[in-house]
Amino acid sequence: GAGVSQTPSNKVTEKGKYVELRCDPISGHTALYWYRQSLGQGPEFLIYFQGTGAADDSGLPNDRFFAVRPEGSVSTLKIQRTERGDSAVYLCASSLAGLSSGANVLTFGAGSRLTVL
Amino acid sequence: DAKTTQPNSMESNEEEPVHLPCNHSTISGTDYIHWYRQLPSQGPEYVIHGLTSNVNNRMASLAIAEDRKSSTLILHRATLRDAAVYYCILKAGGADGLTFGKGTHLIIQP
Repeated sequence: GAGVSQTPSNKVTEKGKYVELRCDPISGHTALYWYRQSLGQGPEFLIYFQGTGAADDSGLPNDRFFAVRPEGSVSTLKIQRTERGDSAVYLCASSLAGLSSGANVLTFGAGSRLTVL
Repeated sequence: DAKTTQPNSMESNEEEPVHLPCNHSTISGTDYIHWYRQLPSQGPEYVIHGLTSNVNNRMASLAIAEDRKSSTLILHRATLRDAAVYYCILKAGGADGLTFGKGTHLIIQP
């Protein structure tokens, strides 16, 4: 597709359950990012992939959160033992790596809204 | 990434120009100034970016102060569809991501 695709668009789950959120980036974009956005706040960085490897996972809040990108394209954000505080919109973005200086532009998906009851 | 300061909200009338300010007094010489906006229930959308010179594109203009410690995003003729949260972000070199603040909530009155 032409843009970044995220599924599901909405996910309601119960506390303690396991959740997977999927991101399909723009074809050819080697860099992929996950963000989390709580109500009234700006997006908060979680993790960044360059190809298949996680180049920076410093934003993951704890070890219940994990993300993979096994073939350097689609990525899955996995949340174990969900808590009510995990409720947020999870945003994925992709970009062409290798742009010089700070001119790198990110394209975002519409997000996956997670609600933990 | 260096910090930016933006007003929490601004209000403007439809079909009038809008000037959204951003202060970034600790900007470094290699930081680009990026603007993104986020419409309700959507992900952020790239608007414009620049380094030193003013920039124009189909969406907006970016005016950068000579000392680069502030910048202004200019929407030349606002429409109701421009109502969004506008984020001013400084971006250092490399392929790493963006650090978002709270942005400016722009309200457009008909």
